[in-house]
Amino acid sequence: DVKVTQSSRYLVKRTGEKVFLECVQDMDHENMFWYRQDPGLGLRLIYFSYDVKMKEKGDIPEGYSVSREKKERFSLILESASTNQTSMYLCASSSPIRPARGGYTFGSGTRLTVV
Amino acid sequence: AQRVTQPEKLLSVFKGAPVELKCNYSYSGSPELFWYVQYSRQRLQLLLRHISRESIKGFTADLNKGETSFHLKKPFAQEEDSAMYYCALSLTGGGNKLTFGTGTQLKVEL
Repeated sequence: DVKVTQSSRYLVKRTGEKVFLECVQDMDHENMFWYRQDPGLGLRLIYFSYDVKMKEKGDIPEGYSVSREKKERFSLILESASTNQTSMYLCASSSPIRPARGGYTFGSGTRLTVV
Repeated sequence: AQRVTQPEKLLSVFKGAPVELKCNYSYSGSPELFWYVQYSRQRLQLLLRHISRESIKGFTADLNKGETSFHLKKPFAQEEDSAMYYCALSLTGGGNKLTFGTGTQLKVEL
């Protein structure tokens, strides 16, 4: 019963390419998030969204943008991929309502390599 | 700004030994604290949250506001507990955004 689906498990892209990472959830959650996960650095928030067409910057938004045209879909865009964006990217969703708030459901991740 | 500190990158214990994964936070308000776990080749998943005061898979965690800590404990480690553990903080009124620590890899040896 996969609830948060990331379209690609592995991606290899060239420096300078525009990269799209897709995330879809089927739980009707309002909140969606993009994190990158790096050894020794943990998870760092890139962007998040509380509603359709709404987005807010996280802690490391530089070099990224997002799109949320539909409630279930949250896309992360690397405008011009660079090698320092090689990472594991995690998408998550959650409900803003207690007691579920803070309880993220994560996707399986996309490991992006920029060469 | 809020911060979550997990001082140990790697914690190695023997099966049956007690486990304590440390987590400290810095925030002046009333945070909500969580522990997430990632087993090998699996998704990151919620283990427990402090407001629930629950025990999951034998793990417990108590929020100590005086020491700003939320350490994860288990009295007897099992081999299947080997995983990466992340402590996370959500701010009151922070809109459900989580700040994660850097994680602690727990290795339970036989």
